Parts: sequence; C-alpha cells; structure tokens
Amino acid sequence: TQLLEQSPQFLSIQEGENLTVYCNSSSVFSSLQWYRQEPGEGPVLLVTVVTGGEVKKLKRLTFQFGDARKDSSLHITAAQPGDTGLYLCAGARAAGNMLTFGGGTRLMVKP
Amino acid sequence: DTAVSQTPKYLVTQMGNDKSIKCEQNLGHDTMYWYKQDSKKFLKIMFSYNNKELIINETVPNRFSPKSPDKAHLNLHINSLELGDSAVYFCASSPRSLYGYTFGSGTRLTVV
Repeated sequence: TQLLEQSPQFLSIQEGENLTVYCNSSSVFSSLQWYRQEPGEGPVLLVTVVTGGEVKKLKRLTFQFGDARKDSSLHITAAQPGDTGLYLCAGARAAGNMLTFGGGTRLMVKP
Repeated sequence: DTAVSQTPKYLVTQMGNDKSIKCEQNLGHDTMYWYKQDSKKFLKIMFSYNNKELIINETVPNRFSPKSPDKAHLNLHINSLELGDSAVYFCASSPRSLYGYTFGSGTRLTVV
C-alpha cells in the first residue's frame, strides 16, 4: 500500500480541456510537492506547499494543499500538448525527512 | 552547467557483475539521495545521505551501497547484479526535503 495515492493513474484529454489530479493520504505531511517528469528525464519540481489550505498558482496550474495537510490537488486550465507528462506528488512527514512519492498520473494532451 | 549529473546514462550488464553509478551535484546541497524507478514509474527511496548521517531504506538489499567521497558526490555501488535490479536509478539533492529535490536525468540499468 502506497502512502500517497494519486488519481487518476492515466488521463487522456483534448487540448483546451481542464483537468484535476488528486493526491491523497491518511498521513499528515509537513510539506507536499508536485513534480513533472518527461520521458528520459528526471522529475522537475513544480511547486512546494507547506501550509494547510494553501493555494499556489503557476500560470495555468493551480495547486492546493488540504486543510488537514493530508491531501493535495493539481488543476490545469486549458491544457496544452506541452503539459503532457508524468505528474508526481511527494510528501515529507517532517522537515529533513526523505520524500515519499505517489504512484504518478500520466497525462496526455492531444492537439 | 548541469546541477545534478549522473553517469552513465545507460548501463547494460550481465547477472552477477558488480557496477557503479556516479552522481555529482554543484548546488551546494547538504543532502543527496538515490531513488529507484520501476517499470510502472513508481519512485522508491533507497538512501538518504548527508555528511553526518546515512539513512537506508530497510527494503534495499545489502548488495546496494552508497559511497560518498565528499559532499558533492554520492555514488551507488551494486554487487552481484540480479535481473530484478533492472530499473532507472535517479540521484537527487536538496538543502532540505521541505524545499524540494533536484534530480539527475537518471541511469537506465538493464541486467541480462
């Protein structure tokens, strides 16, 4: 059983559509991060959220940390083919602890 | 300049061999990590290391060992390679996990 559960595992949408990816856990995290990974490359950090209820925006991407710091969501508005990739959430149980990753969401945005 | 660099990018070897993967970071980060990504893209922590403490994931076989000659390097040594060791191995570094990791581009290990 994974500590962080991501859903959906796979998502295929048309350019211009909106989507939301979820990252859920029964554990409390001191911080939660979202990464995007493209084929043949390592994950690249998109955002870090540390405060319950926190919302951060990165252009068309909106990240939210749950009030109880157990879950997070990533919303993409008007998806573009360049958004295609593997989206990973990762959490740290305490400052200085190793990150635990979710299973990932593979997103494909078709032109 | 690449922030976290791993070599080699690809490694094909026979069962039973011993191999090493090198990792270097030029970010001045205190902590370095090794992760294994399986065929389903799940990233699993193997080791966390700073100049004071090595934390080993208890599920990692003792055939795997990290070696750190200095703060900027964390190499991964694997003895007696097995078919199940085939995966992509990622090195990463961070000032603290709270602030996110910088990953290398990975080493695809294939054991035949």
